Parts: sequence; structure tokens; C-alpha cells
Amino acid sequence: EAGVAQSPRYKIIEKRQSVAFWCNPISGHATLYWYQQILGQGPKLLIQFQNNGVVDDSQLPKDRFSAERLKGVDSTLKIQPAKLEDSAVYLCASSPVSGRAGDDIQYFGAGTRLSVL
Amino acid sequence: DQQVKQNSPSLSVQEGRISILNCDYTNSMFDYFLWYKKYPAEGPTFLISISSIKDKNEDGRFTVFLNKSAKHLSLHIVPSQPGDSAVYFCAAVGSRLTFGEGTQLTVNP
Repeated sequence: EAGVAQSPRYKIIEKRQSVAFWCNPISGHATLYWYQQILGQGPKLLIQFQNNGVVDDSQLPKDRFSAERLKGVDSTLKIQPAKLEDSAVYLCASSPVSGRAGDDIQYFGAGTRLSVL
Repeated sequence: DQQVKQNSPSLSVQEGRISILNCDYTNSMFDYFLWYKKYPAEGPTFLISISSIKDKNEDGRFTVFLNKSAKHLSLHIVPSQPGDSAVYFCAAVGSRLTFGEGTQLTVNP
């Protein structure tokens, strides 16, 4: 079974530029998550999708971050414009059923490491 | 506010000995706890979990203990192996999954 695929693996941009990350979850997984992991910290949830609907985006900085999952499968996360503090690893995860973390294990991709200069 | 804290950034143990990783939380509404393990350049992978109605869960060399009154959980690895060297994240389930900062475990041969 293929795991969660993310691209690109690394991205370097200058502040005020825009950037997009792509995620393809495990086949059949209904729930998809985007996390931000700043160096020295644990992953922090940015947005959770159930199929193609948003379940939780309360921690997404909506003035600059956006995400979509149009067909309920793969997803893109965009930052526009980027700030220095956006430098982090962006992790995508998926889970098979309801999205309740106690019931469904989240499977993570390898992440995209973003450096904003 | 940091609702899940792992106060030890790093831990070093000898192969064959016990590794004990600790985690504290503040939110008494958390009802499920998980440990994830992360190797460099890979995403976190699920290791073991425990429901808040239990105080212990065991899976092979890995045991998680939960002390609800102290709002504390720990992961025991016995015996520790060099392949266990990784960053270990504690995570708690509330309205979302909340992670601690992680502890880098190094198991020396």
C-alpha cells in the first residue's frame, strides 16, 4: 500500500513570494490533514478535510494560507505571500474513517521543508 | 498555551536498558493519547496509544502508562535497541490532535 505522497520535498523562496505544496493521501482515506512543524516544536494542525469539506481550519492563518481538496482526494496548501516565520516543515496526513484521532490513526507523509529567506 | 509538554528535549541510553520518555498535559478533557516516532527526513509514524479510561497499554517492547490525576504519561521501551533512536512525540486527542515538542532518543550500542 502506497503511503502519503508529498511534493516538493524542499522549497526555498524569498519573503513575499508565493508557494504551493501538494499532497496525495493513502487511497480510500476520507480525512486529510495539513500540519506545520516549526523547528523544535511538534506538528500543529492547520486544516482538516473530511472528503472535500473543511472540518477544522481554526488554526489556519487565512490572510495568507489557503488549502483545497476539490475532488476529495489530493490536496494543495498555498502560502501567499510568505513570511520569514513560515519557515517550517509542512506535513500532510490522512486517516481512513471518521477523522476522530482516537479512533483513526493518522498516517503522515515525509513533509515539505520550506525555507523563507 | 502549550497543552502537551515534553520537558526533556533529549535522552541517551545504552542498548538493552530501559528508555523512559515523559509527557505532561494540562487539558483534563483529553480522552486519548498517542505516541508517534519520527526518523530524520520521514514523517511521524504511529507507535502506541492509550485511552483515558486505562492506565497501561503494552505492545511488545513498548508500554505506555497514564496517570490521570497527575496529568502525566510515559512511554517505556524495554529493551532499548539502536534502531529505536528517533524523535518521539506525545500527542493528545481533544477537538484535534495536539502534539508535544518531541524528545530525541539516542540508543548507544
